[in-house]
Amino acid sequence: GAGVSQTPSNKVTEKGKYVELRCDPISGHTALYWYRQSLGQGPEFLIYFQGTGAADDSGLPNDRFFAVRPEGSVSTLKIQRTERGDSAVYLCASSLGEAGELFFGEGSRLTVL
Amino acid sequence: AQTVTQSQPEMSVQEAETVTLSCTYDTSESDYYLFWYKQPPSRQMILVIRQEAYKQQNATENRFSVNFQKAAKSFSLKISDSQLGDAAMYFCAYRALYGNNRLAFGKGNQVVVIP
Repeated sequence: GAGVSQTPSNKVTEKGKYVELRCDPISGHTALYWYRQSLGQGPEFLIYFQGTGAADDSGLPNDRFFAVRPEGSVSTLKIQRTERGDSAVYLCASSLGEAGELFFGEGSRLTVL
Repeated sequence: AQTVTQSQPEMSVQEAETVTLSCTYDTSESDYYLFWYKQPPSRQMILVIRQEAYKQQNATENRFSVNFQKAAKSFSLKISDSQLGDAAMYFCAYRALYGNNRLAFGKGNQVVVIP
C-alpha cells in the first residue's frame, strides 16, 4: 500500500482479555517496528523485525506481549491478559532496510477498562 | 540508555511568526542522529528534519531549521513563518549512528498557532 496501515484504529477491551493489533507496512520494507505511546509521553520502542525474525525485542515490557511477522510483511502485536496500564496508542513503523527513513502508521488506540 | 528531554509542554505562536522548541539529550556516544517529528491529531508521526552529529552544519528544511550544539547536547527546532498547519505535537528523538531505527523520544511539545 501507499503507507503503513494499522488496524483497528481504536480498540476497547476489558481487563484480562486478549487483543491483537495488526500492522501492514509499506510494500518492500524489510524492517518493521512497534512503539507504544502512553498518554502525555513520547513513543517507546517495543520490538524490531528484520524480515520474519525479531531482531530486537528488548523493549517488550513483559511476557504478556508478543509479536509475529510470519511472512516478512504483515505483523501482529499480541497482548494477553490485558491490564489497565496497557492502555496506549500502539504505533507501527517500517523502513527500507535497517536504518532507512522510518514511516509511521496512524496507530491503534487501545483502551483497557 | 539515552534520554531526551523536552521541557516546554506547550508553546503558542502567532501565525507568520517564529517559534523555537528546545531539546536536550544525554549520550556517551560521539556520533549519532537526531530528529524532530511532528504528530498531528491523526497520530501519524511525520519526520520534519534530521541531523547527523558528525556534520557541523545545521540542517534546514524549508521553514524548519535546527540549532545543533553538540558540546551542550542541545538540539532546538525553529519554525519560521508559522502556519496553521504547523499546529501539532513535536517530538525530539535520538538514534545511535549504527544499528537499527530504535529511537529514544522526548515527551513532546504542543505547538498552538494563533490566527
